[in-house]
Parts: sequence; C-alpha cells; structure tokens
Amino acid sequence: QKEVEQNSGPLSVPEGAIASLNCTYSDRGSQSFFWYRQYSGKSPELIMFIYSNGDKEDGRFTAQLNKASQYVSLLIRDSQPSDSATYLCAVNSGSARQLTFGSGTQLTVLP
Amino acid sequence: NAGVTQTPKFQVLKTGQSMTLQCAQDMNHNSMYWYRQDPGMGLRLIYYSASEGTTDKGEVPNGYNVSRLNKREFSLRLESAAPSQTSVYFCASSEATGTAGNTIYFGEGSWLTVV
Repeated sequence: QKEVEQNSGPLSVPEGAIASLNCTYSDRGSQSFFWYRQYSGKSPELIMFIYSNGDKEDGRFTAQLNKASQYVSLLIRDSQPSDSATYLCAVNSGSARQLTFGSGTQLTVLP
Repeated sequence: NAGVTQTPKFQVLKTGQSMTLQCAQDMNHNSMYWYRQDPGMGLRLIYYSASEGTTDKGEVPNGYNVSRLNKREFSLRLESAAPSQTSVYFCASSEATGTAGNTIYFGEGSWLTVV
C-alpha cells in the first residue's frame, strides 16, 4: 500500500496558466509536507514545505494542505517552460518520521 | 559550499561484483540517507543514519549495507550486485530526523547499471 499517491501525469499546461499538482497520503499522523522539483537527470530540490492547514505562498508557488482530507497540493501560477519537471510530494510520517515520497507528477509547460 | 557529494557518478557492474558508493556532506548535518529512484517508483529509502554511530533500515534494505564512518560520511555497499539493483542512487542529509520541518538535501546522484 503506497502511503503517498500522486497522479503520474504527464500534465501539460500552456505558458502563463496555473498548474495544479495533487497529492494524497494515508498516515493521519503525518506532520509535515514537502514539494520537491526534479529536472530530468538531476537531483530533487526543495520548493517549499507546509505544516498547517490552509495555504502557504512563496512567489509563484502556493502549497495547500487539508489534513482532514489527507490532501496536499501545489499551485504554480504564471507557469513558465522552465517549470517543466517532475514534482515530488513528500510526507513526514511513519514511526521514525521519515520522509515518504510519492512517485511524482511530470509537468510540461508549453510555450 | 559543496553540500552533499557522492561518488562515483556513473558505474557499470557485472552481476556478483561488489562496490561502495561514497557520500560526504559539509553542512554539519546529523542525519544521512540513501535512496534509490526507479522509473514510476519514486524515491525509496534504503538505509538512514539518524546520527553518527547509528544506522537503520529503510523501505528497501535487502542487498545493501551501510557504514556511517563519521558525522560527514555515509557509504552504501553492494556486496553482490544484481540486475535488480540497477537504479539511480541518491545520498541525502538533514539537520535532524523525526521532527517536523525535516528538510532533506540531496546529492547529485549515482547512476548504477548491473549487467
């Protein structure tokens, strides 16, 4: 049973549009949630993290958390071709509070 | 400011050969990790070390051993490589484990092919 689920995509959006990436998790005791971006052939890099229910904004990125629904999302406003990458959702959960990663959503922003 | 450095970047092994992936971090982090990444599977934790002198199994430890040599270094050993171990391996580190806000920083990855 996968603990963190993401749609694998690919998700395509036109340049300037809002990209919406979704993630669900199974462990109700999860405390913190992360979004990583991974370009092809590169290592994951942290975009942002969120602990509390609601929205958290950082530039063009907004993370949304709903613990009751066990759902976390990432919105990318004014999407750019440079945003084309795989986005990994990660959840701090389990008895050892390790990060569990989803399999990622591949995003393509079309010029 | 190197962050997390892992070597080698690319390696081809024959089935049954052994090898060690090396990893070092210069951020004075307590916790270190080894992940593998396979297409469609995301990142899976192989082993982690919460602090110097301790190691614990992750989700997929079979076929691997680790050594936390000191606070900076955490190595991953394949004793008898198998084709199923063909993957991209990432070393990572964080300030602490078991706490909220545990931001993990990744090395550049090691591409391993077992033939």
